[in-house]
Amino acid sequence: NAGVTQTPKFRILKIGQSMTLQCTQDMNHNYMYWYRQDPGMGLKLIYYSVGAGITDKGEVPNGYNVSRSTTEDFPLRLELAAPSQTSVYFCASSYSLASGSYEQYFGPGTRLTVT
Amino acid sequence: RKEVEQDPGPFNVPEGATVAFNCTYSNSASQSFFWYRQDCRKEPKLLMSVYSSGNEDGRFTAQLNRASQYISLLIRDSKLSDSATYLCVVRSESKLTFGTGTRLQVTL
Repeated sequence: NAGVTQTPKFRILKIGQSMTLQCTQDMNHNYMYWYRQDPGMGLKLIYYSVGAGITDKGEVPNGYNVSRSTTEDFPLRLELAAPSQTSVYFCASSYSLASGSYEQYFGPGTRLTVT
Repeated sequence: RKEVEQDPGPFNVPEGATVAFNCTYSNSASQSFFWYRQDCRKEPKLLMSVYSSGNEDGRFTAQLNRASQYISLLIRDSKLSDSATYLCVVRSESKLTFGTGTRLQVTL
């Protein structure tokens, strides 16, 4: 199993550009998450999904959009990139709550710089 | 008050030392507790869950005090490879809240 994969690993965007961060998991997890981590800060939840077709906002959703058309994929869309979105973005997945397992498995991250 | 608070450190300890980290959380309805480890410029990985009765995994011992709303992690016989940032994580429903982490540097 590849686990959780993210592309790209690095990206530099100009202010106002848009991009999609890709996330795929092959563990058949129902739950998927997007976090951002700023230097010296904890991970902040941007959006999450409890299954295909269902998404919900996390703590810091402004400036982002997500979709979940399949169990495996959970792309994060940035429209009109701003310097405040410079961060490391982590995608994660987990089994459903009913399984009793709450461990989240993280992808390697995407380092995004907006200038 | 932050939802999850940790001393950022760094904790600089010699190899073989015992070191302990504490973490406090504000939501008394929190349901599960974890310690994650994050190496520099890498993704977080689960180190261990924290149970009310306390639990041990090799050199690592985790404790939970619900009354005082704090969690602790004890590392015995520190190794160079233990150098990392340790994240205190609290679960409420399906969401995890991460602390900012405590940085540990183990030296020769």
